[in-house]
Amino acid sequence: GAGVSQSPSNKVTEKGKDVELRCDPISGHTALYWYRQRLGQGLEFLIYFQGNSAPDKSGLPSDRFSAERTGESVSTLTIQRTQQEDSAVYLCASSPHGDRQETQYFGPGTRLLVL
Amino acid sequence: AQKITQTQPGMFVQEKEAVTLDCTYDTSDPSYGLFWYKQPSSGEMIFLIYQGSYDQQNATEGRYSLNFQKARKSANLVISASQLGDSAMYFCAMREGNNFNKFYFGSGTKLNVKP
Repeated sequence: GAGVSQSPSNKVTEKGKDVELRCDPISGHTALYWYRQRLGQGLEFLIYFQGNSAPDKSGLPSDRFSAERTGESVSTLTIQRTQQEDSAVYLCASSPHGDRQETQYFGPGTRLLVL
Repeated sequence: AQKITQTQPGMFVQEKEAVTLDCTYDTSDPSYGLFWYKQPSSGEMIFLIYQGSYDQQNATEGRYSLNFQKARKSANLVISASQLGDSAMYFCAMREGNNFNKFYFGSGTKLNVKP
């Protein structure tokens, strides 16, 4: 079936503007993750959704970052008043929950550039 | 302390030879899972192999095998018969305990396969 999709694939914005990034997980996957990957670095965990439970927001770097998810479907990550240090690739992943390996399936990412 | 350490920022290997990518981890939880992901230049993260902390045998998936040395807390990835398409970033990751929200990624190793 279809994999995880993300949109837009690339986003260029001016400092101070708000941006919204979208993630469509694999159908039926109950867990959804957002990560940030700065150039040349590993992944930083941002936020995790599991079914209808309250999300784990422990990785969000500031209150300018927020995310929502409607049920077990689409999620949006919003960054308000963007700063240049927000420039990164934002990766979304989903996993089935209950799968022993708990493999995360990643989307292609959104490349955000803040000028 | 770093949860996942990958000490090789870059590696070269000759086509058709085997290569080992190093990964050490740090956890006091007896239950954990170890993952390797491949990230080509196109950006998507591709799951390669999984090892559970209670698994008795080293995981293998085709040309990929995981050299799991529990006492040393290492989980090195071995790629046999390297191919040009193996050139990519490789990330080691750990899920700590049974917490779906505690995934830690290393900083990655850039593998270049030479013809």
